[in-house]
Amino acid sequence: DVKVTQSSRYLVKRTGEKVFLECVQDMDHENMFWYRQDPGLGLRLIYFSYDVKMKEKGDIPEGYSVSREKKERFSLILESASTSQTSMYLCASSPRSARGALYGYTFGSGTRLTVV
Amino acid sequence: KNEVEQSPQNLTAQEGEFITINCSYSVGISALHWLQQHPGGGIVSLFMLSSGKKKHGRLIATINIQEKHSSLHITASHPRDSAVYICAADFHSGGGADGLTFGKGTHLIIQP
Repeated sequence: DVKVTQSSRYLVKRTGEKVFLECVQDMDHENMFWYRQDPGLGLRLIYFSYDVKMKEKGDIPEGYSVSREKKERFSLILESASTSQTSMYLCASSPRSARGALYGYTFGSGTRLTVV
Repeated sequence: KNEVEQSPQNLTAQEGEFITINCSYSVGISALHWLQQHPGGGIVSLFMLSSGKKKHGRLIATINIQEKHSSLHITASHPRDSAVYICAADFHSGGGADGLTFGKGTHLIIQP
């Protein structure tokens, strides 16, 4: 069964800490995405990557950075966590071409981050 | 601006009822996705469609490209169908390297 695996389901961090959220996919997908989900706002794109070492800003990149050193792994970094970054974080991947794909996107189980 | 609107925001129904969730989008798309999210957070892809209709079990998804509208139907609804259903549009051609634009979701509760 194909998977997108996020390293933690729940995290509690202190304000000012550097936080790493890890995402690994086993489908050889070129594209990977980080979203955050907040009540009333839905899912919003933070960063995405369409290839190793490539990254693009999404709609809300402020306060975040990303790293993609290997095709299967896409890391989201909160340089100095703040309470406003308390949220559900979801990772997703997709192939470069969705032609012939059943779903196109595969999502991880999410990481619920609380910054205190 | 690329936008996705979903309705209703909340829906409570009795077991066995036929459920319809609607989604409209602002401009042309390459694909429309229906997703399901249960309490606890993980998102499961239900359908990806660019034209016509798809069916999987009791779930049916349709799309009308001219009207920029899609619907998700659940037949013979069951309490285990209770979840948040999210419509998402891929506004870019070539597989969506720029990510999806999401509706706000429909919170569905099926009562026994």
